[in-house]
Amino acid sequence: NAGVMQNPRHLVRRRGQEARLRCSPMKGHSHVYWYRQLPEEGLKFMVYLQKENIIDESGMPKERFSAEFPKEGPSILRIQQVVRGDSAAYFCASSPAIGGGLNEQFFGPGTRLTVL
Amino acid sequence: DAKTTQPPSMDCAEGRAANLPCNHSTISGNEYVYWYRQIHSQGPQYIIHGLKNNETNEMASLIITEDRKSSTLILPHATLRDTAVYYCIVRALNEKLTFGTGTRLTIIP
Repeated sequence: NAGVMQNPRHLVRRRGQEARLRCSPMKGHSHVYWYRQLPEEGLKFMVYLQKENIIDESGMPKERFSAEFPKEGPSILRIQQVVRGDSAAYFCASSPAIGGGLNEQFFGPGTRLTVL
Repeated sequence: DAKTTQPPSMDCAEGRAANLPCNHSTISGNEYVYWYRQIHSQGPQYIIHGLKNNETNEMASLIITEDRKSSTLILPHATLRDTAVYYCIVRALNEKLTFGTGTRLTIIP
């Protein structure tokens, strides 16, 4: 059973470009979470999605950031008009639906975004 | 903000038990204690969680005090591969994980 997959693993963008980060949850998982980690800091929650629904986006910046988890395909975290401060590691995690919200989250390897 | 307090760093000799403390004095009755670790910029790895009883699995043991205001993660026989940042997190049903700064555990050969 493959784990959580994220791609690309490394992404370089120039200021003003768009960044698209993809996350494929573990098989059978329908809950997806996105976290951001700045250098030398802990992970910060961004958004929690279930299939086709955003459940909690309290950690998402108000502008330029969006996330989706369509019925088919991976979850996408989209950052428009990137700035240098967006440089960070972005981690995706998934958990199964059975068992409710206390299930452990399984994390992917992350995407390291560098904005030049 | 994280609801837990952990020492910033600890050392442990290889082969010995590593005991990582965590204070969560404001924990609510419906909140669980979770432990994750992050090895050198990899994605965090789930270790264990508990509510009020002590828990053990193949990776570690979790000891929660009777008043639930603190807990200790025990790695019984630490190896070099256990060098990582360890995060103690309190979390209620359907709450997000809130990571603090964790404890940087270094296993000494």
